[in-house]
Amino acid sequence: ETGVTQSPTHLIKTRGQQVTLRCSSQSGHNTVSWYQQALGQGPQFIFQYYREEENGRGNFPPRFSGLQFPNYSSELNVNALELDDSALYLCASSLASVGTSGQETQYFGPGTRLLVL
Amino acid sequence: SQQGEEDPQALSIQEGENATMNCSYKTSINNLQWYRQNSGRGLVHLILIRSNEREKHSGRLRVTLDTSKKSSSLLITASRAADTASYFCATPTGTASKLTFGTGTRLQVTL
Repeated sequence: ETGVTQSPTHLIKTRGQQVTLRCSSQSGHNTVSWYQQALGQGPQFIFQYYREEENGRGNFPPRFSGLQFPNYSSELNVNALELDDSALYLCASSLASVGTSGQETQYFGPGTRLLVL
Repeated sequence: SQQGEEDPQALSIQEGENATMNCSYKTSINNLQWYRQNSGRGLVHLILIRSNEREKHSGRLRVTLDTSKKSSSLLITASRAADTASYFCATPTGTASKLTFGTGTRLQVTL
């Protein structure tokens, strides 16, 4: 167990709806990254939050947005859901500091499986 | 887009045999990481090898890195049924420690 938790575990939505996924990072970690994993594919980076600010974004449209809170937990919000948003959403926490970017190990939660009908 | 490509896509072996998975990547890296994923669940970090390292061991795992060929391999020795999972290589890119994953190798270990 990594100590990273995600909620809910499963979710079913319909096209056009909005969804919020939550992630509690491992104690002491200050960075949360979100990934989308379609069936049979590797995870794709959505964005990362470091000390409550967005710190990099992948190739995802603006309807994917996020927040990081003072306790370093995080939310991923997706508006105007599309069928292709059906996927496993993973968050990963890590402890980053200046000069160590890319060197720290990321610890993944169990994921939220989203199905859009 | 995927940075890495794993090979083979699927591998089926018997318990006790060794399993070798390969990963190729496109851009220069400062490290390469291997992860395991059981049945569509969260990823578990297995091992990190830095760009100035050529080989690294962790228990039954052996990872090699050839930066001139932009490739890495993961060897699992004396495989067990519990090793059945998907294995991904990943490389951090950019200042955000964005991990770019390969397409994965699905390993099936049978009794």
